Amino acid sequence: EPEVTQTPSHQVTQMGQEVILRCVPISNHLYFYWYRQILGQKVEFLVSFYNNEISEKSEIFDDQFSVERPDGSNFTLKIRSTKLEDSAMYFCASSEIGVFTDTQYFGPGTRLTVL
Amino acid sequence: KNEVEQSPQNLTAQEGEFITINCSYSVGISALHWLQQHPGGGIVSLFMLSSGKKKHGRLIATINIQEKHSSLHITASHPRDSAVYICAVPNYGGSQGNLIFGKGTKLSVKP
Repeated sequence: EPEVTQTPSHQVTQMGQEVILRCVPISNHLYFYWYRQILGQKVEFLVSFYNNEISEKSEIFDDQFSVERPDGSNFTLKIRSTKLEDSAMYFCASSEIGVFTDTQYFGPGTRLTVL
Repeated sequence: KNEVEQSPQNLTAQEGEFITINCSYSVGISALHWLQQHPGGGIVSLFMLSSGKKKHGRLIATINIQEKHSSLHITASHPRDSAVYICAVPNYGGSQGNLIFGKGTKLSVKP
């Protein structure tokens, strides 16, 4: 069964450093998402992406964040200058179509630790 | 913006018991998602429903659109059902699958 994959599974970085989290969505899916979950808290939407541009973003997704689909398979989340409060699990998801009635398939997550 | 409330926050059951987890939301929606988060952190989509009831194995999800309420039931619960169950709804006003998540219900099934 096709699945969303994410790398790395765990990333440790120093405050102020840039990190890139990578995702490979399911191949025939057209909509891609990033979510984050701070330890012990609920999952939060960051951004959705379609047709090589951001469809929607939350208040969390400020100027330090960016997303990109550099090739036909990868979908990346870049955090330019990490802060301690960026420590969280980051989940990528994809869906075939991007409407409310479409199932999103989640990757296993990348745990980001900012020291 | 939609608000999602789940209850209970924590639930401990004995193997074989019937489980019910509730979710209510504030703004009318076209579909609601139930997700399962494993102890290791991975998230799996269980159901997406817009009306009535859906069944998959021992899991049953129901939704009442008028009352803005959904329930997830687990029949004949098993220790492997132990996980966090999360309800998510569209952030009304969003257009591309932006979901608002509940805090989750942590279920522990004892043998």
